[in-house]
Amino acid sequence: DAKTTQPTSMDCAEGRAANLPCNHSTISGNEYVYWYRQIHSQGPQYIIHGLKNNETNEMASLIITEDRKSSTLILPHATLRDTAVYYCIVRVANTGNQFYFGTGTSLTVIP
Amino acid sequence: GAVVSQHPSRVICKSGTSVKIECRSLDFQATTMFWYRQFPKQSLMLMATSNEGSKATYEQGVEKDKFLINHASLTLSTLTVTSAHPEDSSFYICSAPDRATSAGELFFGEGSRLTVL
Repeated sequence: DAKTTQPTSMDCAEGRAANLPCNHSTISGNEYVYWYRQIHSQGPQYIIHGLKNNETNEMASLIITEDRKSSTLILPHATLRDTAVYYCIVRVANTGNQFYFGTGTSLTVIP
Repeated sequence: GAVVSQHPSRVICKSGTSVKIECRSLDFQATTMFWYRQFPKQSLMLMATSNEGSKATYEQGVEKDKFLINHASLTLSTLTVTSAHPEDSSFYICSAPDRATSAGELFFGEGSRLTVL
């Protein structure tokens, strides 16, 4: 079962930063936070993951609170192609462990 | 990132027939693969975990005799929807973790859209 809660939908102006929150108040000490996105009728795309520290890659930044009970995915300069459903998932980092998806946040980038 | 490929991307079949969907890890070996199903405007639902060389493990409520999974090699898993009916029409997505990555991130195929007439 999904262990995260996310807002159902959000809008963001093109060129502005998109900040997508995720609550995972029951996260365990050995569980990572993963973010994926799914553009309509495609398979999900990996974005970023983290354990405790904030992370940044070419796609996004991940800010994890000190108590690890919530996190925020930041798309620094949203484009129209970032319109998608964004999923936050918590999971122990073992390749045999399943990923359970919640309902995600539908982000719409507005021109 | 690692590449996972599915085939076919779209399939239309008649009710009562069986359909096979292939999932391949193209540039890495996958001892485990996951199969998901997604209905319109809904999230991905995990159906089963495919294990190379052993039986798949199914999520609660998923019929193992209806959705046959075979993980024949370290790069190939297949899902066969047997005696398909219109209610089986859905978007089927496979995925695999890359053991070479730091936290076993999951990489997804492009998905296979099944339409049962």
